[in-house]
Amino acid sequence: SQQGEEDPQALSIQEGENATMNCSYKTSINNLQWYRQNSGRGLVHLILIRSNEREKHSGRLRVTLDTSKKSSSLLITASRAADTASYFCATGETSGSRLTFGEGTQLTVNP
Amino acid sequence: EAQVTQNPRYLITVTGKKLTVTCSQNMNHEYMSWYRQDPGLGLRQIYYSMNVEVTDKGDVPEGYKVSRKEKRNFPLILESPSPNQTSLYFCASSSPGAVNEQYFGPGTRLTVT
Repeated sequence: SQQGEEDPQALSIQEGENATMNCSYKTSINNLQWYRQNSGRGLVHLILIRSNEREKHSGRLRVTLDTSKKSSSLLITASRAADTASYFCATGETSGSRLTFGEGTQLTVNP
Repeated sequence: EAQVTQNPRYLITVTGKKLTVTCSQNMNHEYMSWYRQDPGLGLRQIYYSMNVEVTDKGDVPEGYKVSRKEKRNFPLILESPSPNQTSLYFCASSSPGAVNEQYFGPGTRLTVT
């Protein structure tokens, strides 16, 4: 079953704008990860936030986690055309290595 | 270079003809996993392996088999492929533990006619 659900399913913005994607999940987690996928390619890990963290930054990426609401958001600042891709959240179980992925948000950044 | 490789990258086959998709990683990872990706359904886990000779079912294991005889290899076997197994398949690996990122292969696009 799908644990994470991303919102929106698709997002189209202009270069330079910020892009925000949201993820909701259902059960307790150990961590939440965001991945990026260029069309037809493998997923690439972007950032991981642990369940005891509330916010994390990596370059132009900012991730927040609200465990009380079982939700996370990914913010990409000053977007570029090269950021065009699908973005997936994935939740890590409290034990083991298994990740459960959401359906993804398709981000299009128009030059 | 650290990587996960899959072969073949593209495969068109017919119903019932057994096939194997290979997956290999050079990072000495214990954990390996297979996913399928379908439009509107995201990534769904087929099987995973915590270590050599240790495999377990994911969310959609029906119609698939796996084996883990060596740490680096985790082949996916379709004994009798059917059209509903037409999909994009990804292999992934990671170090053990819940907080480790997974490294994905480039994908195998399978079409079963």
